[in-house]
Amino acid sequence: DSGVTQTPKHLITATGQRVTLRCSPRSGDLSVYWYQQSLDQGLQFLIHYYNGEERAKGNILERFSAQQFPDLHSELNLSSLELGDSALYFCASSPLGAGVASYNEQFFGPGTRLTVL
Amino acid sequence: AQKVTQAQTEISVVEKEDVTLDCVYETRDTTYYLFWYKQPPSGELVFLIRRNSFDEQNEISGRYSWNFQKSTSSFNFTITASQVVDSAVYFCALSGQGGSEKLVFGKGTKLTVNP
Repeated sequence: DSGVTQTPKHLITATGQRVTLRCSPRSGDLSVYWYQQSLDQGLQFLIHYYNGEERAKGNILERFSAQQFPDLHSELNLSSLELGDSALYFCASSPLGAGVASYNEQFFGPGTRLTVL
Repeated sequence: AQKVTQAQTEISVVEKEDVTLDCVYETRDTTYYLFWYKQPPSGELVFLIRRNSFDEQNEISGRYSWNFQKSTSSFNFTITASQVVDSAVYFCALSGQGGSEKLVFGKGTKLTVNP
C-alpha cells in the first residue's frame, strides 16, 4: 500500500459525459501528479500540482482539467468524454516540490479505470 | 526532450531462468533520475528502484539487479532465477530536475514467467 488513495476504482460512463477522479496523496506529500495509461499511448504524464499550484502540463487535453485543494487532495475532471478517453488514470504523490534537489520518488495510487461506452 | 526506449515488448521465460530487461534513455539534463516500476496483473504500479545520474554503481536487491551505464545511456534490469510471481509489465522511467520532475515512461516490457 503506497498510501495514495484514488476513488473511484472503476467508472463506467457514456460519451459526452463528465466525470471527476479524486486523489488523496500520502500524508505530508505536497506534489500530486496525474498520469494516463492507455493501450495506444502507454503511460503519459498529464499534469503536476505542487502545494495547490500547477507546475507542469503534459499531454493533457483541453477537455481535461485538474486542481489541488488546500488539504492537498486533487481532482481530475474529464468532460465531453470520448471513447478514446477510456484508460487507467493514476495519481502519484511525492514529498518534495519542483526545483528542489530530490530523488522525486513518486508513490502511485491504485488507479481509476475509466470506461467510456 | 526526454525519451525512454524499452525495445523488448514481450519476453517469455521458464521459471529459474535469468532475464534482463533493457532500457535506453535520452536526455539533455546533466542531473536526472532513472526508475523501474513493476505493474502486476492487478494493475498497480510498484516502485522498484531509483538511481540518480551521478551514481553509476550497480545495485543488487535479492534476485534483482540493475546495471546503469551513462556511456551507453542504459539502465538495464536483471532478474535472477525468475519466478512465476515476477510475471508483470516492467516500466523504465526518467525524470529531470527543475520545473517539474514528471516521469517519462518507456512503453514497458511484458514479462511472462512460465512454470
